[in-house]
Amino acid sequence: DAGVIQSPRHEVTEMGQEVTLRCKPISGHDYLFWYRQTMMRGLELLIYFNNNVPIDDSGMPEDRFSAKMPNASFSTLKIQPSEPRDSAVYFCASSSRGTQINEKLFFGSGTQLSVL
Amino acid sequence: DAKTTQPNSMESNEEEPVHLPCNHSTISGTDYIHWYRQLPSQGPEYVIHGLTSNVNNRMASLAIAEDRKSSTLILHRATLRDAAVYYCILDNYGQNFVFGPGTRLSVLP
Repeated sequence: DAGVIQSPRHEVTEMGQEVTLRCKPISGHDYLFWYRQTMMRGLELLIYFNNNVPIDDSGMPEDRFSAKMPNASFSTLKIQPSEPRDSAVYFCASSSRGTQINEKLFFGSGTQLSVL
Repeated sequence: DAKTTQPNSMESNEEEPVHLPCNHSTISGTDYIHWYRQLPSQGPEYVIHGLTSNVNNRMASLAIAEDRKSSTLILHRATLRDAAVYYCILDNYGQNFVFGPGTRLSVLP
């Protein structure tokens, strides 16, 4: 398996533009997590899905952020409109926790987002 | 969420053992103890996890205190490639998987 695949690896955009980050989880995994990492705040859990359904989105910073999982093999995190303070590395992770209690998480390589 | 506390940073010499501590005094009986690490410019990766008994795998060992209020991740022979941020996380099935600040490990040649 190729692991968790995120795209793009790097995104540079201007303030006010819409940004879409993409994630393909490992096949067969039923949990998907979106994290954001900054120097100031560390790794923050934004939202996670179980079987394509959002379970907890309490970490989503504000209404400008939205996440979807239309099927088991694809998820998006959208920021509209983007702001400079959204600049961070965004990680996607997946797991088969639904089938094995406390199964480990597998992380993608992340998307480095810079909003100018 | 149950919380963990770890030292901000630690140093080790190459090829020496490293003991990374984690305190989790409010751990519940069903919380698993997980360790992940994040190498520079990479996403976190799983290291080891356990519930009550000590655990060993090819990467590390996990020693869990008898009262489960603390644990120690042991790297038996540190290499330069082990320089990373190490996270101790309490995990209860069905709950959020939340990372704290972790311990930044430096390995000196």
